[in-house]
Amino acid sequence: EDKVVQSPLSLVVHEGDTVTLNCSYEVTNFRSLLWYKQEKKAPTFLFMLTSSGIEKKSGRLSSILDKKELFSILNITATQTGDSAVYLCAVGVYRAQKLVFGQGTRLTINP
Amino acid sequence: EPEVTQTPSHQVTQMGQEVILRCVPISNHLYFYWYRQILGQKVEFLVSFYNNEISEKSEIFDDQFSVERPDGSNFTLKIRSTKLEDSAMYFCASSGDRGGNQPQHFGDGTRLSIL
Repeated sequence: EDKVVQSPLSLVVHEGDTVTLNCSYEVTNFRSLLWYKQEKKAPTFLFMLTSSGIEKKSGRLSSILDKKELFSILNITATQTGDSAVYLCAVGVYRAQKLVFGQGTRLTINP
Repeated sequence: EPEVTQTPSHQVTQMGQEVILRCVPISNHLYFYWYRQILGQKVEFLVSFYNNEISEKSEIFDDQFSVERPDGSNFTLKIRSTKLEDSAMYFCASSGDRGGNQPQHFGDGTRLSIL
């Protein structure tokens, strides 16, 4: 059975801190790994990773994939209160038309 | 930026009634999906749809569920006879390809409450 596990499940930090969110996976026929940010409603797309070792970056957010060790990390530097959200990791499986999601990490940034 | 839109945002229905959830995918996308998220649980895949037919469905997507693209813009999920356990947030998503080269983009969801 395809499985995606995120850690930690919950994280509370102070504004300005740097955080690292983890995602490990066990799937057959890996195609891609995606990170989404979920505030009140829709998961909004952050990154899609398909190759190992290539860092994707967008502002203060960055992510990298390790296909040998089957995990990805999402880093957020200089956190702001607006970064408070649930961060979802999802794996796209080759041929299958679906994403397999992890449980999410609830990130709370205190001022 | 183009987005996926879903209606209604909240649907309250009596158990046993039929519901139809509606989605307008991003206009140039060809691949459409439904997911659900029961409160406090993971987002779960229900079904994918391309070229007017189901590409894949999960074990959750039983005979009570159906999907349709009734016209060039809408994509619907119908639950024929709702059960209490169907209460969840239902997300529609669309993507520009099936191969995983483009991400799936999600709508804001419909919160379905079965009484």
